Amino acid sequence: DQQVKQNSPSLSVQEGRISILNCDYTNSMFDYFLWYKKYPAEGPTFLISISSIKDKNEDGRFTVFLNKSAKHLSLHIVPSQPGDSAVYFCAASGNSGAGSYQLTFGKGTKLSVIP
Amino acid sequence: GAGVSQSPSNKVTEKGKDVELRCDPISGHTALYWYRQSLGQGLEFLIYFQGNSAPDKSGLPSDRFSAERTGGSVSTLTIQRTQQEDSAVYLCASSLVRTSGADTQYFGPGTRLTVL
Repeated sequence: DQQVKQNSPSLSVQEGRISILNCDYTNSMFDYFLWYKKYPAEGPTFLISISSIKDKNEDGRFTVFLNKSAKHLSLHIVPSQPGDSAVYFCAASGNSGAGSYQLTFGKGTKLSVIP
Repeated sequence: GAGVSQSPSNKVTEKGKDVELRCDPISGHTALYWYRQSLGQGLEFLIYFQGNSAPDKSGLPSDRFSAERTGGSVSTLTIQRTQQEDSAVYLCASSLVRTSGADTQYFGPGTRLTVL
């Protein structure tokens, strides 16, 4: 059973508009969430993260929103640029104490930004 | 600074052969992870090393898979008697380990393994 779900395999957005990528999770023990961006033939690149004690984190054009009660997070990209075209992975981990834990990934959403 | 590096970038092998995949983590990162991504799937956790602690091998799919991390740095993932279903991109990641809070994992470019 998938614990992290990205229900949209692909998304097309016009350049300059907002891109919204969604992610749902089922494990209530998850308390740290990340978004990674992946270009073909490259490893995932860390984009932005959010801890469960927050509901929003912003970094430049990228904002992640977390709705814990709905077990839902979203990544907003404003304005979208052609270079943002990539596969975006949502990932989650649990952290009940010190240390790092394995990430559980969604299957990814392929974003295409049309010039 | 230098990121996570992996070698080889591509590996084609015949069914039944053994393969070794290498990962060089970011200098100073004490945690190292292996994941794999099969076609059309998300990344699947395989194994986690942290310092001198016993590794978390809970994600290894079978006993044909093993991994070592020597000297707390370089890691090797070995797949014995490869099968066609082992074909995937194998990704290595490393992170700092902080005293509190989760850690961001930084990924290498991956090794694409094709088993014929």
